[in-house]
Amino acid sequence: EAQVTQNPRYLITVTGKKLTVTCSQNMNHEYMSWYRQDPGLGLRQIYYSMNVEVTDKGDVPEGYKVSRKEKRNFPLILESPSPNQTSLYFCASSVGGNSPLHFGNGTRLTVT
Amino acid sequence: GQSLEQPSEVTAVEGAIVQINCTYQTSGFYGLSWYQQHDGGAPTFLSYNALDGLEETGRFSSFLSRSDSYGYLLLQELQMKDSASYFCAVRDPHASGGSYIPTFGRGTSLIVHP
Repeated sequence: EAQVTQNPRYLITVTGKKLTVTCSQNMNHEYMSWYRQDPGLGLRQIYYSMNVEVTDKGDVPEGYKVSRKEKRNFPLILESPSPNQTSLYFCASSVGGNSPLHFGNGTRLTVT
Repeated sequence: GQSLEQPSEVTAVEGAIVQINCTYQTSGFYGLSWYQQHDGGAPTFLSYNALDGLEETGRFSSFLSRSDSYGYLLLQELQMKDSASYFCAVRDPHASGGSYIPTFGRGTSLIVHP
């Protein structure tokens, strides 16, 4: 089954404790991106990747890192999480062009 | 930069027709998409318009007017299961992600009453 898989689904952590949210897609998509969703603010793009080893900042990249060492994986790294990074995070992938984004099921992160 | 405007909430009754509008301001434009998201779920793709006019997919239709920088999603024969958030998104070659990663509006919460 074609899918984007994120882990974990829920995560509660404390300020400053490094964490990684994994994202993997099995559709051989070139384009992957991370969004955060906050009430009233919609989906805001954090980072995106056009291909292996090609990543760039989105609209709200501060406090986040990503890597794209393999085509299928695009982990999101929070080196020193802060409470303002409490949010619902979505990973998405696409073949590009007119093709739609395929989203993972989301990761609800709480930073205390 | 880009900005997209859509109403924050729309309510309707089962069986009715509802229209969710989206206006956008972008440096460039390749197309307008619509996504549906149920509470606690992932956004799922509904439709895409690159050219002016109406695209129909079952009970859902999407319209685009590039000259007016405007589009809408039309939902007919509303069902309770249509209660969800609906997001418009634009593909802008000048935005971060280029034309491949769309920028999303803030979403419209559709509430369908029996």
